[in-house]
Amino acid sequence: DQQVKQNSPSLSVQEGRISILNCDYTNSMFDYFLWYKKYPAEGPTFLISISSIKDKNEDGRFTVFLNKSAKHLSLHIVPSQPGDSAVYFCAASMQTGANNLFFGTGTRLTVIP
Amino acid sequence: GAGVSQTPSNKVTEKGKYVELRCDPISGHTALYWYRQSLGQGPEFLIYFQGTGAADDSGLPNDRFFAVRPEGSVSTLKIQRTERGDSAVYLCASSVGLAEGLTGELFFGEGSRLTVL
Repeated sequence: DQQVKQNSPSLSVQEGRISILNCDYTNSMFDYFLWYKKYPAEGPTFLISISSIKDKNEDGRFTVFLNKSAKHLSLHIVPSQPGDSAVYFCAASMQTGANNLFFGTGTRLTVIP
Repeated sequence: GAGVSQTPSNKVTEKGKYVELRCDPISGHTALYWYRQSLGQGPEFLIYFQGTGAADDSGLPNDRFFAVRPEGSVSTLKIQRTERGDSAVYLCASSVGLAEGLTGELFFGEGSRLTVL
């Protein structure tokens, strides 16, 4: 059973516009959420994270929003740049007592110049 | 190098053979993780080391899979009697320690792509 779900396998956005990537989770024990970015033939790299005590975390062009009641989070990238084209993975963990991340299946973002 | 290093980058083997995949974590990182990414899926947790001991091996799919980290640095993932379903990219990650690993980031290597024919 997939505890972290990314229902959009792909997304195309025009350069300069906003990219919104969505993620849903089912396990209410998750209290820490992360986004990773992956280029072809490379390992995933950490992008941004958010604790469940917050509903928003911003880092430059990247903002993650968390809606705990809906078990939903989203990553906003604005403005989108061609170099943002990659696969984005949402991940979740239980901050205490667990040592692993549960990943979604990823969303491939293409930013069109 | 400065990052997590994994060898080999590609491994093709025949069904039934034994395979070893190596991970060299970032110097000073005490926590080491193995994940497996199958085609079209996200990474799935296999095993976690804190120092030399396997603190959590709950993600290993069966007893054909085993991992060691004898000196608390380099780790080897061992797969016996490989099956076609074992074909995947095996990712290694490290972090500075348990608390930091969960509150911050894991540093992933580029992965070892295993193909079982």
